Amino acid sequence: DIQMTQSPSSLSASVGDRVTFTCRASQRISSYLNWYQLKPGKAPKLLIYAASSLQSGVPSRFSGSGSGTDFTLTISSLQPEDFATYYCQQSYSTWTFGQGTKVEIK
Amino acid sequence: EVQLVESGGGLVQPGRALRLSCTASGFTFGDYAMSWVRQAPGKGLEWVGFIRRKAYGGTTEYAASVKGRFTISRDDSKSIAYLQMNSLKIEDTAVYYCTRAGGYYYYFDYWGQGTLVTVSS
Repeated sequence: DIQMTQSPSSLSASVGDRVTFTCRASQRISSYLNWYQLKPGKAPKLLIYAASSLQSGVPSRFSGSGSGTDFTLTISSLQPEDFATYYCQQSYSTWTFGQGTKVEIK
Repeated sequence: EVQLVESGGGLVQPGRALRLSCTASGFTFGDYAMSWVRQAPGKGLEWVGFIRRKAYGGTTEYAASVKGRFTISRDDSKSIAYLQMNSLKIEDTAVYYCTRAGGYYYYFDYWGQGTLVTVSS
């Protein structure tokens, strides 16, 4: 099974900050990497698919990069509605999620 | 507008069975694969299972933690996906989400709000 490791597990940031999360796969997964946002009580939301493609309707401040085993999700200017937990997911061989990165208000 | 609505959750005793339904609208259900994902209390997301569209055989995949106990099926005439859960364990307690699996990379582009399954005696 492919394992996904996210870092950090949590971070504190302020509105307007640029934040970057990382996700590492235990083996090469090409660009089969997706990012999701979870907020309590709401349906999870797809942000980025295929490592760097922005899902329709997602603000352009979100961007993804990487290929192979190392990937990043960047929020260029953190907004109040972005405080949430973010998960990466590989879809190269069945599906596996990382353990999540929780973004909290500093 | 794409909508996925889960139903069928509730409290069930260990060892018993439960069937979840996912009613879809706003898209041609038969053209898409579907998947189930769960989140246990205080934990992260865990993929549960997947069913391909009929044109690709309607075949299924399951996580090791549920293989042999859970079964996914679909009724394209009703736009419903099912998750049959047998031999439930306490560790199956979670919010269960239905998702649509889209694109070449089979990412989960739409999610339901989830339904809570509590396994307890």
